[in-house]
Parts: sequence; structure tokens; C-alpha cells
Amino acid sequence: EPEVTQTPSHQVTQMGQEVILRCVPISNHLYFYWYRQILGQKVEFLVSFYNNEISEKSEIFDDQFSVERPDGSNFTLKIRSTKLEDSAMYFCASSADRGAYGYTFGSGTRLTVV
Amino acid sequence: LAKTTQPISMDSYEGQEVNITCSHNNIATNDYITWYQQFPSQGPRFIIQGYKTKVTNEVASLFIPADRKSSTLSLPRVSLSDTAVYYCLVGDPYNQGGKLIFGQGTELSVKP
Repeated sequence: EPEVTQTPSHQVTQMGQEVILRCVPISNHLYFYWYRQILGQKVEFLVSFYNNEISEKSEIFDDQFSVERPDGSNFTLKIRSTKLEDSAMYFCASSADRGAYGYTFGSGTRLTVV
Repeated sequence: LAKTTQPISMDSYEGQEVNITCSHNNIATNDYITWYQQFPSQGPRFIIQGYKTKVTNEVASLFIPADRKSSTLSLPRVSLSDTAVYYCLVGDPYNQGGKLIFGQGTELSVKP
């Protein structure tokens, strides 16, 4: 079964540092997403991306966040200046069709900001 | 977006059938009902999606009454590995820009 791969699985960073979370979506998928889950809380939508541009973003996805698809396979989430409250599990997901709710999620990157 | 209500937790034993009901009284005409499963420290995993009546796949069944104001996820003969959080999501996949709205979910605990 095809998988969405995320690296690293765990990242520790100092407050104020930039981090880049990496994802390799399923190869024939066209729609890409980032979600996050703070420990003990709900899974929250951050951003959706299609055709090399952001389709939709949440209020969480402010100027400190950016996404990029630098080549044909990777999809990245950058946080420019991390804050303590950015500590969370970050999940990348992809789907073949915007209309299909069957998104495939990766196993996540646990980001710890100290 | 339709608000969903589901039990916070449920307990079951191995081999039993588990039914998790979700209420969504203000579901819109174009909304679909989708269930995801999440294990600790893993991403959500799509289980099943439906619009009306009954949908079945190799993992679960989804029952949706005619008024569509609720739905029931049915897991046949659960095992310990089915212990997870189950989320009911309601929305129009064609007009939400990829935004899935997760609630707190139902934490299912399967005991030996």
C-alpha cells in the first residue's frame, strides 16, 4: 500500500530557530496538506496545496509558516521562527482527488520547541 | 460546517461487534460522512465514507438513515489492535479546500 513518508520523525529545536519538515506524498497524488496535533488536542488543518499554490489555509498558518514543493516528489513545511506553542505532531497528507475524502496521512513529525 | 457529536469513549471486548454513532443534525445536502481511525503518535487513517444508506468495505460498515442526521460506524469482531480514536467528519469534499475538521473523536478501548 502506498505511503506518505515524513522526515524526521522527531525534531527538537530552540525557540526562534527555523525548521523544515519534509514529506514525500504518494506519487500520483495531486493535492497536499499539512495538519498538526498538539498533545492531547484535536487534529487541526493548516494548509492545502495544489498546482504549486496554496488552495486554503487556516488562521494558524500565519506569516511564520510557508510550504513548498521544491521538486516533483517533496512537499515541505517551514516554520521561520519557532515558538514554544509550535510544539506538536505535524502530519502531511495527500490525495488524488480534491473531492475524495480519502486522504492518506503520514506518520508525522514530532516537533519539540525548547 | 456540520457539527458532529460522538461518545468520548467506549469499551469493548475482543470478538465483539462495535457500533459508534455520530450525530450531525445540521448536515447539508452536499455533505458526505467520513470516518478516520488514529493510533497514538500516528496520522489519521481513512476508514470509510458514505452519503446515504449503507456502505461496506473490508474494514467496516457505515449505516446512514434516510434523514442523514446521524451515522453509525460498525466494526465487526474487533481485536486488540482496533484500540484507537475514531473520528466522524461531515463536510462537502468538493468545496472545503481540503480542510478536514476533526472533533475529539471516540476513544475505543478493546480488552482481551
